Amino acid sequence: QVQLVESGGGVVQIGGSLRLSCVASGFTFSDHGMHWVRQAPGKGLEWVAFVRYDEQKSYADSVKGRSTISRDNSKNTLYLQVNSLRPEDTALYSCARDAFNYAFDIWGQGTLVTVSS
Amino acid sequence: QSALTQPPSASGSPGQSVTISCTGTSGDIGGYNYVSWYQQHPGKAPKLMIYEVSKRPWGVPDRFSGSKSGNTASLTVSGLQAEDEADYYCSAYAGNNCWMFGGGTKVTVL
Repeated sequence: QVQLVESGGGVVQIGGSLRLSCVASGFTFSDHGMHWVRQAPGKGLEWVAFVRYDEQKSYADSVKGRSTISRDNSKNTLYLQVNSLRPEDTALYSCARDAFNYAFDIWGQGTLVTVSS
Repeated sequence: QSALTQPPSASGSPGQSVTISCTGTSGDIGGYNYVSWYQQHPGKAPKLMIYEVSKRPWGVPDRFSGSKSGNTASLTVSGLQAEDEADYYCSAYAGNNCWMFGGGTKVTVL
């Protein structure tokens, strides 16, 4: 079935880095744009980054300049590298499929990133 | 990139209707017909309920409907059922391959 599975989260110190992964299955990964969305504990959704099928990339202001979204179509995998982590980056990071209609139609369960001193 | 504005809570009795608003600007909601709505139950991933302002994905009950006027979009849940109790988020395309979410609305079925 159509599925997204994230990994790579954990506890990291302020100023550290993490690389998150999202493995896709059940659909033609290379045809779709892909997003990262995060949700701080008890808070709302925040769009983080997008990579289009042609690898054009965009970022939210909150992570621009210290994050890189990328994809490996041969591995059906989406990545998010986040550097210079701050306490406010603590959140559940989920990947989501772009549905060709500017909506997010498939979501993963997320991977938790905790930034601590 | 400020978040879209949603009321923090809304409620209704079973069988009644509840409408949630989502206010943005001419650069997002007002500029494109790319507003979507998501339902999120506690501990679960969000689920797409409405896309392109008013279209429902396959399998979403027609009790859920969406609309837009100017810079404000709305989600209406008619015939409220217990399983509709959840958090609801709006999202809008803001141009230049950027998106925004609203702060979320907790819907309570009384």
